[in-house]
Amino acid sequence: GAGVSQSPSNKVTEKGKDVELRCDPISGHTALYWYRQRLGQGLEFLIYFQGNSAPDKSGLPSDRFSAERTGESVSTLTIQRTQQEDSAVYLCASSLGGTTHNEQFFGPGTRLTVL
Amino acid sequence: QKEVEQDPGPLSVPEGAIVSLNCTYSNSAFQYFMWYRQYSRKGPELLMYTYSSGNKEDGRFTAQVDKSSKYISLFIRDSQPSDSATYLCAMSKMGNQFYFGTGTSLTVIP
Repeated sequence: GAGVSQSPSNKVTEKGKDVELRCDPISGHTALYWYRQRLGQGLEFLIYFQGNSAPDKSGLPSDRFSAERTGESVSTLTIQRTQQEDSAVYLCASSLGGTTHNEQFFGPGTRLTVL
Repeated sequence: QKEVEQDPGPLSVPEGAIVSLNCTYSNSAFQYFMWYRQYSRKGPELLMYTYSSGNKEDGRFTAQVDKSSKYISLFIRDSQPSDSATYLCAMSKMGNQFYFGTGTSLTVIP
C-alpha cells in the first residue's frame, strides 16, 4: 500500500551503541512527525518536520537524539549511545502539512529494545 | 501538569455496552480534537476529528467537545469485541503540533 512505512520493525541493541530508525512518509506529505511510546504510555512528541526543516525540536529528550529529513521524503531518527530508558516504540507519522489542520497517518512503528 | 490527561484504564465491558472515554486538558488554545484507535503492535489510526466545541457522530461513534469545561469524550454504542484496543485522545492548536493523552485500554468481552 501507500501508507507510512518504518524500518526496521524491531531493533535490539546493546547499551552504548548508536541506532538509526527510518521513516518513509506518504508521497506528497510535507509534514513528518516522530513520537516515542513507552510501554503503557501515551505518545510523546519528539520532533516535527515541515519539508526538510524542523521548526520544532522541543521534544527531543537529550542531545543523544537527532533527526534529519532529506528531499522532503525519508527521515531518519538517530539515537547515539543508547540507554535502557530509550527502549520504546518509535512512531512516525506524516500529513499534508501547511497551515490548516490535516490528518496524521501513522506508520507501524519501530520497537527498540536496549539491553 | 500535563497538557492532556486521560485515564489509562483498563476498561472492560460486555459486548453491546455503551462505552464512554474521556480526556481533560489545560490549554484553552486547543482548537482541534481527535480520537485515535491503536490495536496491539500497530500505529494509531484516526477515528474521529472535531474542530472547536460540539458533537460529531459517525456510525456507532460519537465525539463530544466541551471547551468551557476543557473536556472531551468519545462514546461507543453497541460495543463489539473488535473495538478492543487502546483509545488515544489528541489535540492541537494550529494543526501542526499534537498533544496526546496516555491512552485508555478497552476490552469488549463477547
